[in-house]
Amino acid sequence: DVVMTQSPLSLPVTLGQPASISCRSSQSLVHSDGNTYLNWFQQRPGQSPRRLIYKASNRDSGVPDRFSGSGSGTDFTLKISRVEAEDVGVYYCMQGSHWPRTFGQGTKVEVK
Amino acid sequence: EVQLVESGGGLVQPGGSLRLSCAASGFSFSSYEMHWVRQPPGRGLERISSVGRGGDIIDYADSVKGRFTISRDNAKNSLYLQMNSLTAEDTAVYYCARSRGLDLWGQGTRVTVSS
Repeated sequence: DVVMTQSPLSLPVTLGQPASISCRSSQSLVHSDGNTYLNWFQQRPGQSPRRLIYKASNRDSGVPDRFSGSGSGTDFTLKISRVEAEDVGVYYCMQGSHWPRTFGQGTKVEVK
Repeated sequence: EVQLVESGGGLVQPGGSLRLSCAASGFSFSSYEMHWVRQPPGRGLERISSVGRGGDIIDYADSVKGRFTISRDNAKNSLYLQMNSLTAEDTAVYYCARSRGLDLWGQGTRVTVSS
């Protein structure tokens, strides 16, 4: 199975400041069709997960542009340009390039 | 409205069984692979089972293999998870999710395994 490793696991942030989460996979996520199926999810307290980013760098509809995804191969990053109070929650990466689909451990973003 | 709605959760004794359902609406259900993902209390997400669009590809996490069975009925726009031989470690909120990218999630259904 592809192991997804996120860091840090806890991220205290100051409102208005940037934040960055890393996700590394144990093997390349480049699919045979040429796409890289790396997704980022946000889970606010008490809510279902919501996808923010797909194929490493594409923002889902309705996702604020302060969220951005980047990376390729085995190294990926989710960035929040200016953290807002509503961004508090747990963020997960997940790969869809290989069976079985696997998640990272999650990164808890909280306000300092 | 495009949505997924899970049902079937509840309290069950160790060794018991439950069948979860996920009703899809507002989109072409048969065009998407589907997944069950669970979240134990206070813990992260675990994808436990997936099924391809036509039911051809089926996959299970090791933690549920041999005990859980995923199925789908494209005519009824529904996804199912038959859970047998339940243990306390299966206590979690169970979500269904759509597509390779898990772009749509249900609200979840809570399963508690306890005597």
